[in-house]
Amino acid sequence: EPEVTQTPSHQVTQMGQEVILRCVPISNHLYFYWYRQILGQKVEFLVSFYNNEISEKSEIFDDQFSVERPDGSNFTLKIRSTKLEDSAMYFCASTQGMEPQHFGDGTRLSIL
Amino acid sequence: GESVGLHLPTLSVQEGDNSIINCAYSNSASDYFIWYKQESGKGPQFIIDIRSNMDKRQGQRVTVLLNKTVKHLSLQIAATQPGDSAVYFCAENQMDSSYKLIFGSGTRLLVRP
Repeated sequence: EPEVTQTPSHQVTQMGQEVILRCVPISNHLYFYWYRQILGQKVEFLVSFYNNEISEKSEIFDDQFSVERPDGSNFTLKIRSTKLEDSAMYFCASTQGMEPQHFGDGTRLSIL
Repeated sequence: GESVGLHLPTLSVQEGDNSIINCAYSNSASDYFIWYKQESGKGPQFIIDIRSNMDKRQGQRVTVLLNKTVKHLSLQIAATQPGDSAVYFCAENQMDSSYKLIFGSGTRLLVRP
């Protein structure tokens, strides 16, 4: 069964540094997402991406965040200057539309 | 506003018993609902979904019930097994431009042997 893959599984970064989280969505999916989950809390929507542009973003997704789909397979989330409060699990998801979103196993981002 | 919440943060059941996990949602415009299971260190895993034109849907050992009148969603797991131990999230989705999911705060299911 096709799955969403994310790399790295764990990223440790100094505060103020840039990080790029990578995802390979399911190949025939059209909608791509990033979500965040702070330890012990619920999963929060960050951004959705469709037709090579952001279709919606949350208040969390400020100017420090950006997403990109540089080729036909990868989908990346960049945090330009990380803060301590960016420490969380970041999940990528994809879907064909009004169907269940499929999630990767996440990247644990630790900001020191 | 948009919010999806859960009544019980932790549910402990005996192996073999049935489990019921509840969820309340506040946005009457939501038209698609999904239950996810999340095991430690893993991403949310799809369990079952239901659209707003239905009030019940059954899968293998799982049933989702939707009561639109009181904006309530439940997940029933029959003959609960140790492998069912996880955190369960309900999520709602509106047929808007992005199909983003709004998650509830989760219920931890503990299965006692």
